[in-house]
Amino acid sequence: EPEVTQTPSHQVTQMGQEVILRCVPISNHLYFYWYRQILGQKVEFLVSFYNNEISEKSEIFDDQFSVERPDGSNFTLKIRSTKLEDSAMYFCASSLMTGTLYNEQFFGPGTRLTVL
Amino acid sequence: AQRVTQPEKLLSVFKGAPVELKCNYSYSGSPELFWYVQYSRQRLQLLLRHISRESIKGFTADLNKGETSFHLKKPFAQEEDSAMYYCALVAGGTSYGKLTFGQGTILTVHP
Repeated sequence: EPEVTQTPSHQVTQMGQEVILRCVPISNHLYFYWYRQILGQKVEFLVSFYNNEISEKSEIFDDQFSVERPDGSNFTLKIRSTKLEDSAMYFCASSLMTGTLYNEQFFGPGTRLTVL
Repeated sequence: AQRVTQPEKLLSVFKGAPVELKCNYSYSGSPELFWYVQYSRQRLQLLLRHISRESIKGFTADLNKGETSFHLKKPFAQEEDSAMYYCALVAGGTSYGKLTFGQGTILTVHP
């Protein structure tokens, strides 16, 4: 069964460094998402992406964040200058469509980002 | 703005006992409601959604618009049901599938 994959599983970085988190969504899916979960807190929406542009983004997704689908298979989340508070588990998800029965989002296993 | 509340962080039951995981939401329009589950060392996965009104692994959930609730129920819990359960909402209209999650409930089913 097709799955969303994410690399790396764990990323450790120094504060102020740039990180790129990578995701490979399910191949025929059209909608892509990033969520994050700070330890002990709820899963929070960051951004949705469709047709090569951002569809919706949360307040968390400020100018330090960007997303890209560089080659038709990968979907990346870049954090330009990491802060301590960016330490979290980052989940990628994809769905075939949005709305009603087609809005099942399939999640990747997550990347744990640790900012020192 | 939408909000999902799961009042119980932890819920423990014995095998064979009924279980109910509570979920309340606030949203002014017509939401889509979901339950996602995360078993130990596995990824988040969809358990069920209100629109399909199905029973998955013995679990059911009914959307009660009057009480703005979407509680998850199972009459006889099994040990393999032990997991983290998240209630989630998608707003209608132009929301591009953005899921708003509750805080999650850790269910432990004791033998």
